Amino acid sequence: DTGVSQNPRHKITKRGQNVTFRCDPISEHNRLYWYRQTLGQGPEFLTYFQNEAQLEKSRLLSDRFSAERPKGSFSTLEIQRTEQGDSAMYLCASSTSSGSIPLDTQYFGPGTRLTVL
Amino acid sequence: SQQGEEDPQALSIQEGENATMNCSYKTSINNLQWYRQNSGRGLVHLILIRSNEREKHSGRLRVTLDTSKKSSSLLITASRAADTASYFCATGVGGGTSYGKLTFGQGTILTVHP
Repeated sequence: DTGVSQNPRHKITKRGQNVTFRCDPISEHNRLYWYRQTLGQGPEFLTYFQNEAQLEKSRLLSDRFSAERPKGSFSTLEIQRTEQGDSAMYLCASSTSSGSIPLDTQYFGPGTRLTVL
Repeated sequence: SQQGEEDPQALSIQEGENATMNCSYKTSINNLQWYRQNSGRGLVHLILIRSNEREKHSGRLRVTLDTSKKSSSLLITASRAADTASYFCATGVGGGTSYGKLTFGQGTILTVHP
C-alpha cells in the first residue's frame, strides 16, 4: 500500500491549453474523488467515482472539465481551454466501502498544483 | 460552496500548550471529520466522528460533536512544533449518491512555536 499518487505534481501551462492530471488510488479502494483547492480555502468537491461509474458532479465542474475512470482503477481529470481561474491545487482521494455502508475516511494524494499563465 | 466555518482562522501557541479549534456547519450530517494539511501538501485524515457520537479520542486528539448546535471542536493536547499545519473540518451527508462526498470548512492555521 503506497497511498494515493498523483501526477504530475506541478503543471504550468498557458491560457487556452489543455491539461490532464492522473490519480492512482489505493489499490483496493473502489471510490475515487476529485477536489479543487485554492489558496487559503478548504478543498471543494468536484466529482467522484464508484468503480468506473461517475456518480456525482459538482456545478463547479464546467463543460471544460472532464473526468474518467475507465477501468475502475486510475482516474484522469482533463481541463480544456484552461483559464487563469483554473489555477489551483487539484486533489484526489480514495476510500473503500464495506457492504452497504461506505467507510467515510478519505485518503488524499499530494495534489497537482496547476498554474495557468 | 463551503459547508462550515472554522474558528479561529489562525492560532499561535507555544509548544506544550493545548490548541482548540472549532467548526460550525449548516446542514444535517452523517459524520464530521478533521484533516491536517502541511503547507502545500495533501490532506491527512485525523479523526472521524459520527452524528450519533458526542466525543471521540485518538492519541492527543479529542473531538466533540454537538449536533443540536451544529458544531464540533478539535482539541490537540500538549502541542508540538510538528503540529504546525492547517486543520480542516469536513462534513459528510448520508443518503443517495452523495454518501461519502465531503464538504470542507476554510480551515484553521495552527502555528506551534518551539
